[in-house]
Amino acid sequence: AQSVTQLDSHVSVSEGTPVLLRCNYSSSYSPSLFWYVQHPNKGLQLLLKYTSAATLVKGINGFEAEFKKSETSFHLTKPSAHMSDAAEYFCVVSDQKGFQKLVFGTGTRLLVSP
Amino acid sequence: EAGVAQSPRYKIIEKRQSVAFWCNPISGHATLYWYQQILGQGPKLLIQFQNNGVVDDSQLPKDRFSAERLKGVDSTLKIQPAKLEDSAVYLCASSFASGAGTDTQYFGPGTRLTVL
Repeated sequence: AQSVTQLDSHVSVSEGTPVLLRCNYSSSYSPSLFWYVQHPNKGLQLLLKYTSAATLVKGINGFEAEFKKSETSFHLTKPSAHMSDAAEYFCVVSDQKGFQKLVFGTGTRLLVSP
Repeated sequence: EAGVAQSPRYKIIEKRQSVAFWCNPISGHATLYWYQQILGQGPKLLIQFQNNGVVDDSQLPKDRFSAERLKGVDSTLKIQPAKLEDSAVYLCASSFASGAGTDTQYFGPGTRLTVL
């Protein structure tokens, strides 16, 4: 069975500083890993996904994540935070075998101060 | 390209009443999902359809929840009777391909249900 642990419920940064949102996963088979962002009163939007190609995945809005199998991690980073990045971020895992069943983490709320 | 559409956006009902949510997936998407997102938690899959057949409904409380996807396009999710603990955002998502592990799911804006 798959599971995801998001290590921080809240992360606060200043505008222009780097962002790091941490995620560890557990999966019985080769995992697909995703990061979704949820702005208030809006639907979930895919930031990026890993499906066993390159281990460094680049997404939208300057975000990227690195798949590290030895550490079972898939941390999300961005070099410079923008005010518009303030939102809830979900790390998600799915086994690549069989039908897709997304298992979401509990979310990390990113706060960006001027 | 139009996204996943859901209605209504908000619904307030009293416990023991019934409620229904509607979802229209992205055109051409074969797989449709319903999720429940309780405040402060990540979404949890309730049911997955492949065209108009059910693939996974293992986490659907079947004594009160039901869902259908007629003609493999639109879908409705119903709760009857509602309980206080059903207060949540109900999200619909769709994906183009077979629902395989590498697919990308596209989410609608959700319906926020409050049960009083």
